[in-house]
This record gives sequence, structure tokens and C-alpha cells, in this order.
Amino acid sequence: NAGVMQNPRHLVRRRGQEARLRCSPMKGHSHVYWYRQLPEEGLKFMVYLQKENIIDESGMPKERFSAEFPKEGPSILRIQQVVRGDSAAYFCASSPPSGHYGYTFGSGTRLTVV
Amino acid sequence: GENVEQHPSTLSVQEGDSAVIKCTYSDSASNYFPWYKQELGKGPQLIIDIRSNVGEKKDQRIAVTLNKTAKHFSLHITETQPEDSAVYFCAASKAGRRALTFGSGTRLQVQP
Repeated sequence: NAGVMQNPRHLVRRRGQEARLRCSPMKGHSHVYWYRQLPEEGLKFMVYLQKENIIDESGMPKERFSAEFPKEGPSILRIQQVVRGDSAAYFCASSPPSGHYGYTFGSGTRLTVV
Repeated sequence: GENVEQHPSTLSVQEGDSAVIKCTYSDSASNYFPWYKQELGKGPQLIIDIRSNVGEKKDQRIAVTLNKTAKHFSLHITETQPEDSAVYFCAASKAGRRALTFGSGTRLQVQP
């Protein structure tokens, strides 16, 4: 039973490029969450999605960031026109529909903007 | 919004000793308090959690206590082992909201 799958594990982008991070939740999980972790800091909530719906995006930066969880396929976190300050580890987590207890995190995508 | 403070930021103990990490939260509506362990290069792993209707929960060498009146909760690890070395995060969330607010982390080093 595969866990939460994130790819790529490492992503290098030049300033101004776009970054696309993908997340496939655990089997049977229909809720997906994205968090960002800056070096030596805790995780910060970004967005919570269910299939085809954004439920809570209170942690998303107002510009350049977007997220989706289509009916088919993985959840995508998209960062347009990346800047150096976007360099961080981005973690996806999933949970079953019955509740948020028992979040399972993926191994993350380390984004480096050069 | 919710704010979670975690102390200490680093903790070094001898193998076999106990380790205690403390967190305080600001929102009295918070009702779910998980603890995560993060090893280098990996995602956080849930190790134990507690809900606001209980004051203590134990799982082998790990225990968590919750004081709702004081709005603080603690992680206790007994008989520490070198493989317990990692960064530990506390978190909190409230009913009706699935987002977790994390503390800043504690780097635990267990010396053999």
C-alpha cells in the first residue's frame, strides 16, 4: 500500500520560471493538504483540497500560487514566476474522508530557485 | 489565528534518559494535538496524537499530556535511543478546520 507520493523529489528552477509539484494521495484518501517548510522552520499550511474543490486556501500567497485536485490524476501545486524566496520544501499530506485525524505526509519536493 | 509555541528548540540527552518537549497554543477552540517526527530528508511522521477530551495518552515509550486550562501539551519520550534522534513538531487544529498549525520544532539528539 503506497503512501503519499510526491514528485519530483528535487526541482531546480531559474527565477521567472514555473514550478509544478505533484502529489498522489494514499489509496482511499480523498483529502489533500499542501504545506511549505522553510529551512529550520516548522510547516506552514497552504491549502486544503478535495476532488475538484478548494476547501481552504487561507495559507496560499495571493499571487503566483495555485492548486488543484482534478477528478482524475494527482493534485498539483503550481508556482508561477518563481523567486528566490520560494525556495523551500513543499509537503503534501492526505487523509481519509472520515476526518483529518491521521494525516499522512509525503516525502516532499525540495524546490531550489537559482 | 492560532499560534503554537514549542520549547526547547534543541535538546540533547544521554541514551536511556527521558526527553520532554513542551508546546503552548493560543486558540482555546483547538481540540486536536498531534506530534510528528521528521528525520533528515523525509516528511513528518505522525507518532502520537491526543484529542481535547482526554488528558493523557501513552504508546509504549511515548506519551502526550494535555492541560486545556493552561493551553499546553507535552511530549514525553522515555528510555531514549539513538534512533529517536530527529526533529519533533507539535501541532494543533480546531473543530471544523482541518489545517494544522505547527510549532517551530525541537531537534532532539540522543547521545549513545
